[in-house]
Order: sequence, then structure tokens, then C-alpha cells
Amino acid sequence: ILNVEQSPQSLHVQEGDSTNFTCSFPSSNFYALHWYRWETAKSPEALFVMTLNGDEKKKGRISATLNTKEGYSYLYIKGSQPEDSATYLCAFLLQGGSEKLVFGKGTKLTVNP
Amino acid sequence: EPEVTQTPSHQVTQMGQEVILRCVPISNHLYFYWYRQILGQKVEFLVSFYNNEISEKSEIFDDQFSVERPDGSNFTLKIRSTKLEDSAMYFCASNVGLNTEAFFGQGTRLTVV
Repeated sequence: ILNVEQSPQSLHVQEGDSTNFTCSFPSSNFYALHWYRWETAKSPEALFVMTLNGDEKKKGRISATLNTKEGYSYLYIKGSQPEDSATYLCAFLLQGGSEKLVFGKGTKLTVNP
Repeated sequence: EPEVTQTPSHQVTQMGQEVILRCVPISNHLYFYWYRQILGQKVEFLVSFYNNEISEKSEIFDDQFSVERPDGSNFTLKIRSTKLEDSAMYFCASNVGLNTEAFFGQGTRLTVV
């Protein structure tokens, strides 16, 4: 059974704090890791699609790293803003042509002004 | 910006009734998906659809479920005889190709009573 775990489950930070959270996934048969940002009452929105070990991607104040050998990815937010408040989902794609994204439960981030 | 749209946003149905959830994917996308999230649980894959046929389905997607792309723009999920445990948020998604970012709709919250 493929299992994707995210930690912490929830996080409260103050505006301006930098924060990070973790996604763990199976290290064998890895094909790709996706990160999505999901604000309440909106659609999940793609942040990154990562495929290469050691990859680091950045979008504004948000960045992500990938370690496929040990099976984890970190998402970093620098200088959190209230508008960063959302649930951050990671999803694993298995090698072999599967189209199925296997999601973690998400990390719910609340940024207090 | 193009987006995936889903209707209705919320549907309440009686156990045993048929429901059809509707989605309009982004027009140049080739792969279409249905996912669902039961309250408090992970987002889970139901089915993928490519080239006018199901390309992959999960064990959840049994004979009670079917998908159709009747007219080249709509993509529907039908549940023939709903059960209480079908209550969930159902998400439609689409992308241009395997391992590209998926674009999600806002979801349909299905409540079976």
C-alpha cells in the first residue's frame, strides 16, 4: 500500500515567520512529487511538480526540495503572510505510467496577523 | 485564466438515488480525473480518463460508478445507487499530459442521507 505522510498536521505561525513542513513518500518506484495549495472554498492549486533527486523549486516566497533516495520533500515559506493560510497537500506519482496521484493528508497552515 | 468548473457545488440526495456530478475541464487538456475526499480523510483517486476511455481506476470505483465525456466538453461522474459512505467532496481535475500539474475544480460536496 502506498502511503504518503505529511507533518505537522497543522501549524500556527505569526505573520513574518518562516516555516517549513514535510512530506514523506515511498522511495522505491518514485516518479514524481506534486505540491498543491488548497484554500478553503477554492480549488487545490498546483505549486510544484518535482521529479529529480536534489531538485529545488521556488515560486515567490515558497520553495520546495526533494530527496527521492530517502523519500521526503520539504516545503518552505519565507516570511509567512496571512494570505498563505491554506492546506498544503503533497501527492506522489508512482513509476510505471500510473496517472494516480496518492495524496498525503495535508498540513493546515494558519498565519496570524 | 482557464479553470475547471464543477456543478453543482453541493448536492443532497437520498440513499439509493442516482447522482450525476458534472465537470467542464480545461479545453486543451487531454487527461481527466475524479478524486474524492471523505471528511477528515485524504484526497483519494477514483478514476482517470484519456482518449475517451477509462485509463485507470481505483478499487473504490466499482460498478456503481461510471464516467462519461458525452459532448467533448463535459466530463461526468455518475453514482448509480448512492450509499451513505459516498458522502464526500468530489473533485474533478484535468491536465495536458502525464506528470504535469493537475488543475482542480472547486469540488461538489455530496451528502447522502
